[in-house]
Amino acid sequence: SAVISQKPSRDICQRGTSLTIQCQVDSQVTMMFWYRQQPGQSLTLIATANQGSEATYESGFVIDKFPISRPNLTFSTLTVSNMSPEDSSIYLCSVTGTSGVETQYFGPGTRLLVL
Amino acid sequence: AQTVTQSQPEMSVQEAETVTLSCTYDTSENNYYLFWYKQPPSRQMILVIRQEAYKQQNATENRFSVNFQKAAKSFSLKISDSQLGDTAMYFCACTSGGSNYKLTFGKGTLLTVNP
Repeated sequence: SAVISQKPSRDICQRGTSLTIQCQVDSQVTMMFWYRQQPGQSLTLIATANQGSEATYESGFVIDKFPISRPNLTFSTLTVSNMSPEDSSIYLCSVTGTSGVETQYFGPGTRLLVL
Repeated sequence: AQTVTQSQPEMSVQEAETVTLSCTYDTSENNYYLFWYKQPPSRQMILVIRQEAYKQQNATENRFSVNFQKAAKSFSLKISDSQLGDTAMYFCACTSGGSNYKLTFGKGTLLTVNP
């Protein structure tokens, strides 16, 4: 499977600021996704990052709050904008393998704490 | 809409013994995939095993196997010869099918392997 990295691995931010999280894959992948995992909770899909076009957001998530870019087949960014303490979570990117789009592999995650 | 239910918030097992984690799901899709992921304290989401719904044979991966009961919409994970490194949060997940294979996760089961 592909090797997935995320930057930063963790960060502490002040409310009202924005943070951009990067997801880099060592090979071209078909699909990339962004998830949020709130403390003690399961994973919730934020959006599907589409290469060369606007991301597809899930209900409850909007582009103004979570702008996403995917300029090519190996890289995507998620920005958490105008942060509040409720945004404190782990943010994970995932990609689908070249052997099939039904299986997702996850990056190591970014732990965000908003004060 | 899909739902995934894990009714066991926590479980424990002695090292070298066998444990079974439960998962039920609901989907209107005819073509779907089921997964078990583990998330150790490092927070990395690791794919444990996958099952194609159209396959009757239960998937196995070394010490990990599933009991897939399609009519009952049940997908349990059996871990044999439990090891200390199996201590983690285990998430059951289901794809939505269609064209983008979005994952829906259960709430997770925290498994502790005791020495």
